[in-house]
Amino acid sequence: AQTVTQSQPEMSVQEAETVTLSCTYDTSESDYYLFWYKQPPSRQMILVIRQEAYKQQNATENRFSVNFQKAAKSFSLKISDSQLGDAAMYFCAYRSLQNYGGSQGNLIFGKGTKLSVKP
Amino acid sequence: EADIYQTPRYLVIGTGKKITLECSQTMGHDKMYWYQQDPGMELHLIHYSYGVNSTEKGDLSSESTVSRIRTEHFPLTLESARPSHTSQYLCASSGGTFGYTFGSGTRLTVV
Repeated sequence: AQTVTQSQPEMSVQEAETVTLSCTYDTSESDYYLFWYKQPPSRQMILVIRQEAYKQQNATENRFSVNFQKAAKSFSLKISDSQLGDAAMYFCAYRSLQNYGGSQGNLIFGKGTKLSVKP
Repeated sequence: EADIYQTPRYLVIGTGKKITLECSQTMGHDKMYWYQQDPGMELHLIHYSYGVNSTEKGDLSSESTVSRIRTEHFPLTLESARPSHTSQYLCASSGGTFGYTFGSGTRLTVV
């Protein structure tokens, strides 16, 4: 079974600085998606960025980018020019494509990293 | 605008009461999910559905039940609420391989 590990329960960054959140996963599959979700305090969980495993190019969305290392099974999120609104819980998630139709196609979430942004 | 809606947003209720948490989506997604989450903590999958008349239990055992009579509607019911049910409940849906769309959640407090 696949697992997702976020080894940093909490992180802190100074406003305008850059921070990297770590995520590793374990799978024997070759086709899958990886995601980073953001959950601000008392607000809706939203998708930050998505990476298809077959793409070698790292995904980027404005100030958010990933470092996807398929062989190392690593999927870190870099937030550049951090803003106060970036303070949130961040969840890394894995989704199988080879077994999408069954329960194995459900998203598997890490335990989350709480990011604080200092003014 | 396509979205997923959860009501109520907050609920405080007495022990022993029956409650239903509502979740509706307007995106025509086949797959829907219920997660339980204590504030600032990890997500626990408690129920999911792959379509009408399909419901499955998730990884975390829950005393709640769900139904899926219509594609857009996936309510969660607690027959007799207890203080141990105090938590946040998140509903999500998925129509493809890309990911989930989450509702705003229901924060339940049982007193």
